[in-house]
Amino acid sequence: QVHLVESGGGVVQPGGSLRLSCAASGFTFNNHGMHWVRQAPGKGLEWVAIISYDGSNKNYADSVKGRFTISRDNSNNTLFLQMTGLSAEDTAVYYCSTEVVVIDATPLDYWGQGNLVTVSS
Amino acid sequence: SDELTQPPSVSVSPGQTARITCSGDALPKKYAYWYQQKSGQAPVLVIYEDNKRPSGIPERFSGSSSGTMATLTISGAQVEDEADYYCYSTGSNGNHRVFGGGTKLTVL
Repeated sequence: QVHLVESGGGVVQPGGSLRLSCAASGFTFNNHGMHWVRQAPGKGLEWVAIISYDGSNKNYADSVKGRFTISRDNSNNTLFLQMTGLSAEDTAVYYCSTEVVVIDATPLDYWGQGNLVTVSS
Repeated sequence: SDELTQPPSVSVSPGQTARITCSGDALPKKYAYWYQQKSGQAPVLVIYEDNKRPSGIPERFSGSSSGTMATLTISGAQVEDEADYYCYSTGSNGNHRVFGGGTKLTVL
C-alpha cells in the first residue's frame, strides 16, 4: 500500500525558515519524479517544485524560486522542501506527490495527506 | 503564457451533463490532466493524457482536448460529484507544471 507522509509543518515567523519532509513507502521511490504542491486556505492548487527521479533536475514556480529548495534522499525514500524567507503568502497546506507515470496503461499518481505551514508573527 | 484558465463555477441539476473547460496556450502540445478535490481531501486524478480515465473512476467522467482548450465532461452528474476540479499540465518549456484556478462544481 502506497503512503506519502508529510511532516515538518507548523507556525513560523515571517522571514523564517522551515524544512518539510515527505516519507514514501509502498512503491519504488527512486523511479519517480516528485512534486511539492501547495494550497492556501480557501484557494486553489499551486504547483511549487519538481525534482527528477535521481535528483539531477529541479524546477520551481516563479513564486518560490530562490527561496525554496527541493531535494531527495533515495536511500531513505524521503523528499524534502527547504523553505526560507517565508512570508504570509506562503501559508498553505503543502502536499508531496509523485509525477504521473503510466505503466501498463495504468496511471500512477500518489499524494500525501498534506501538511499545514502557517507564517505568522 | 503557461497559465490555465477555468471558469470559477459550474452548476447543474442531478442527471444533467456538466462541462468544465480549461484554456491554455500550451495545450495543443501538452497533455491535460484533471483532478477532483473534495473538501479537506487530497486531489484525485480523474482524467489523464487528455481523455483517459483511471480505473475506479466512473464512466460518466470523460475528457477531450482540441487546440487551446481541454474539457472535462461529467455525463449525468451525481450529487457526489460536487467538488472542486482542477486542470493540470506541463509548461511550454517542459520544465514547469501548472494548475488551472479550479472550478467549483455544484450539483443540485
